[in-house]
Amino acid sequence: DIVMTQSPDSLAVSLGERATINCNSSQSLLYRSNNKNYLAWYQQKPGQPPKLLIYWASARESGVPDRFSGSGSGTDFTLTISSLQAEDVAVYYCQQFLGSPRTTFGGGTKVAIK
Amino acid sequence: EVQLVESGGGLVQPGGSLRLSCAASGFTFSDHYMDWVRQAPGKGLEWIGRAKNKANSYTTDYAASVQGRFTISRDDSKNSLYLQMNSLKTEDTAMYYCVKEYDFWSGYYDYWGQGTLVTVSS
Repeated sequence: DIVMTQSPDSLAVSLGERATINCNSSQSLLYRSNNKNYLAWYQQKPGQPPKLLIYWASARESGVPDRFSGSGSGTDFTLTISSLQAEDVAVYYCQQFLGSPRTTFGGGTKVAIK
Repeated sequence: EVQLVESGGGLVQPGGSLRLSCAASGFTFSDHYMDWVRQAPGKGLEWIGRAKNKANSYTTDYAASVQGRFTISRDDSKNSLYLQMNSLKTEDTAMYYCVKEYDFWSGYYDYWGQGTLVTVSS
């Protein structure tokens, strides 16, 4: 199975500042035939199920604020929150779906307010 | 509005069985692959299995951790997904989420249910 490694495990950022979360995969998630990276990002707030933020590594799901952006290709990916808001406190997970159905998730990154 | 509503969770003894259900609405259920993902208390997300659609013969796939013990099925006439769990172990204790795959070319999940909690304990 493809192993997904997120860093850091947690971070504290001041309101209005940038938050950056990294995700590394044990093999490339770039599928050459369509030039797409099979990587998604989810946000999970306490007591709630995960919510899709980003798919194909950089495509923002409908309704997701544009302060959330995804980047990267191959094995290294980043989720950036450009200006942290109080409602962004959550755990964020990356997911690879190249190995579908055997999709795997990163261990999660907890984002808090400094 | 897409809704996925799980039910059937509860407390069960090790070695016991439980059947989870997921009632879907707001989309054409029969077109989509549907999965189960679980989350142990305070832990991360683990994919446990998938049921493809009729066009793909309702084929199922499972994670190694549940292969042979769990069975996924679906009833498109009832817009429902099921997870039959047998020979339960304490490590199966988790919140179980029913999830919808965006489409059969993409394995990401655009909708999640609220989850149903399964506790395996004596």
